[in-house]
Amino acid sequence: GESVGLHLPTLSVQEGDNSIINCAYSNSASDYFIWYKQESGKGPQFIIDIRSNMDKRQGQRVTVLLNKTVKHLSLQIAATQPGDSAVYFCAENSQVGNSGGSNYKLTFGKGTLLTVNP
Amino acid sequence: AAGVIQSPRHLIKEKRETATLKCYPIPRHDTVYWYQQGPGQDPQFLISFYEKMQSDKGSIPDRFSAQQFSDYHSELNMSSLELGDSALYFCASTQGTYNSPLHFGNGTRLTVT
Repeated sequence: GESVGLHLPTLSVQEGDNSIINCAYSNSASDYFIWYKQESGKGPQFIIDIRSNMDKRQGQRVTVLLNKTVKHLSLQIAATQPGDSAVYFCAENSQVGNSGGSNYKLTFGKGTLLTVNP
Repeated sequence: AAGVIQSPRHLIKEKRETATLKCYPIPRHDTVYWYQQGPGQDPQFLISFYEKMQSDKGSIPDRFSAQQFSDYHSELNMSSLELGDSALYFCASTQGTYNSPLHFGNGTRLTVT
């Protein structure tokens, strides 16, 4: 199978605990951020997003926090379940060029491998 | 709900051969992105298209080309394949609106031997 995880930061939690995954982004001009979950052999799956005019957004069992001062994102997963085990990526969206439309680029940060122990 | 469809799921080629990867975006999505992901790596942006025109270019080798067709599907053409091209190739689509999330397909795993 795929060797995802050999070079990734890892986080191991017990089932039912809360998980916090951190991410530093690079472009101060980025104004839209997304967390993706990637399971082995699958494409990244959208979890939650946040715009730069917000510092917190909540979804079902997930919360994203944005600190623009230090260019930091975090993803909090409540009551982590075995099905949450995956690689989690943050991604920043920044506009390229001035012609509008879809001239923007989504840049991924380094993933974190979350392992949930039953 | 319909998702992004990529074909083939797996592809094995020899060095110096060519490969074509196909991507069918979610209906009514007019923007397509291609990413390459090596083992244990984050996805790297290759190229994107909006309304059938190239909108941005990333770390795509000159040996690769891509286009978006009138039905919005996209193809990534790869020539003179090298061992280092072995990776997962993902396509993602979105509507041409800034600040809307990209939706990814399940990728094509390319192995070059």
